[in-house]
Amino acid sequence: SAVISQKPSRDICQRGTSLTIQCQVDSQVTMMFWYRQQPGQSLTLIATANQGSEATYESGFVIDKFPISRPNLTFSTLTVSNMSPEDSSIYLCSVVPQREGRVQTQYFGPGTRLLVL
Amino acid sequence: SQKIEQNSEALNIQEGKTATLTCNYTNYSPAYLQWYRQDPGRGPVFLLLIRENEKEKRKERLKVTFDTTLKQSLFHITASQPADSATYLCAAGSSASKIIFGSGTRLSIRP
Repeated sequence: SAVISQKPSRDICQRGTSLTIQCQVDSQVTMMFWYRQQPGQSLTLIATANQGSEATYESGFVIDKFPISRPNLTFSTLTVSNMSPEDSSIYLCSVVPQREGRVQTQYFGPGTRLLVL
Repeated sequence: SQKIEQNSEALNIQEGKTATLTCNYTNYSPAYLQWYRQDPGRGPVFLLLIRENEKEKRKERLKVTFDTTLKQSLFHITASQPADSATYLCAAGSSASKIIFGSGTRLSIRP
C-alpha cells in the first residue's frame, strides 16, 4: 500500500487564475495518475504523470490547461490553469505501488476540492 | 465505447440485512474487477479484487462475484452496519487498457 497526501485540501479561486496541487507519496512509485471527479460523477483520468518525461494526457485534456510535473518517484504537481467555473471539481492523485501482473490496484490521495467563482 | 455502469440510485438498507450492489460492463472484456469505497470528501479506498478466472471472492463481510457471461459483478455486504454507509465504486481493468471506473452507488444503512 501507499500513504498519499495532497495540498491544498480545498481552495476557492477566482476565474482566470491558476492553482497548483501537490501530491506526496510515502514511498517510491512508478505509476502516478491525476483524476478529476465532479459531484455524482465517475472518476475521469486527466493524465499519467511520468517521472523524467512529459505527462501522458487523456483525450480532452491538454498540457497548456493542466501542466504536470513529476520531478521524482514520490512527488507530483498538477496545475489547473486559467480557471473557469467548469473546473470546479475534486482533483485526486493516485498511485500504483506495485503491479501484480496485469492488475493495477490504485491508492488515492484525499483529494483537493476546488471551487472556481 | 467501453462502459462500466452502476446503479445511480442510492440503495437504502436496514441494518443487519445484506446489501447487494451491481456493476455491469459493456464493449469490454476486463481481466479483473475491483471495488472501492469512497466516503464524502475522501479519496476512494481499495476493497477487493476479482480476476476473470475467479467466480467469487470473500473478505470478512464482503463478497464479490464476477460473471463473464452476464458481464456483471455483484458486491455484497452481509450483516450491514451504519458504518458501511458510503459510495461504492466498481472499476475494471486489463493489461491493454487503463482502469475504467463506474460512477458509484451510494449505500445508506439505517439503524
